[in-house]
Amino acid sequence: AQSVTQPDIHITVSEGASLELRCNYSYGATPYLFWYVQSPGQGLQLLLKYFSGDTLVQGIKGFEAEFKRSQSSFNLRKPSVHWSDAAEYFCAVGNNFNKFYFGSGTKLNVKP
Amino acid sequence: DSGVTQTPKHLITATGQRVTLRCSPRSGDLSVYWYQQSLDQGLQFLIQYYNGEERAKGNILERFSAQQFPDLHSELNLSSLELGDSALYFCASSVGTGAIDTQYFGPGTRLTVL
Repeated sequence: AQSVTQPDIHITVSEGASLELRCNYSYGATPYLFWYVQSPGQGLQLLLKYFSGDTLVQGIKGFEAEFKRSQSSFNLRKPSVHWSDAAEYFCAVGNNFNKFYFGSGTKLNVKP
Repeated sequence: DSGVTQTPKHLITATGQRVTLRCSPRSGDLSVYWYQQSLDQGLQFLIQYYNGEERAKGNILERFSAQQFPDLHSELNLSSLELGDSALYFCASSVGTGAIDTQYFGPGTRLTVL
């Protein structure tokens, strides 16, 4: 069965510091992988996605993620966090049957 | 603004009732997806329609049904409502039917069942 694990429920980082949000997935074949961001009271916005090719994926707002098949991971990174990055981040996996599974989310707080 | 609209924004109803949530996709998008976000279960994929036809089914209860109309808007019908159905319901749309197509999410409808 497919599943997504985001082990960190809350993370606090200082503005300007680097960020890494962890995501591990369970899926037999090569998955489609996504990172979304949700600001309070808003819908989800796609940050980046991976389905094949270069395992380092660049997204919007300066985010990137790296697919590591051997570790079943797709961690999200940003070199320097801005206060506006405070939000909840969701990792998701999709398959060829168009079914999608989301992690439980990581809430990011940014300290001034 | 993603271009996806959802109505109503909030809905309060009682157990046992039936409600209809509406979604208008972005102009040009043929796929519509429905998701439920609750504190208990997190974010769950319910169902996908593409150009009027059901394409994929997730964890959608039998009490729930959806359809996509010729003008491509979609409705999610929730019946025999229970307290546990209280959640935020999102609609998303994409151009095509592939899992890799970017989905654009609407602002959601918050359903409260009393």
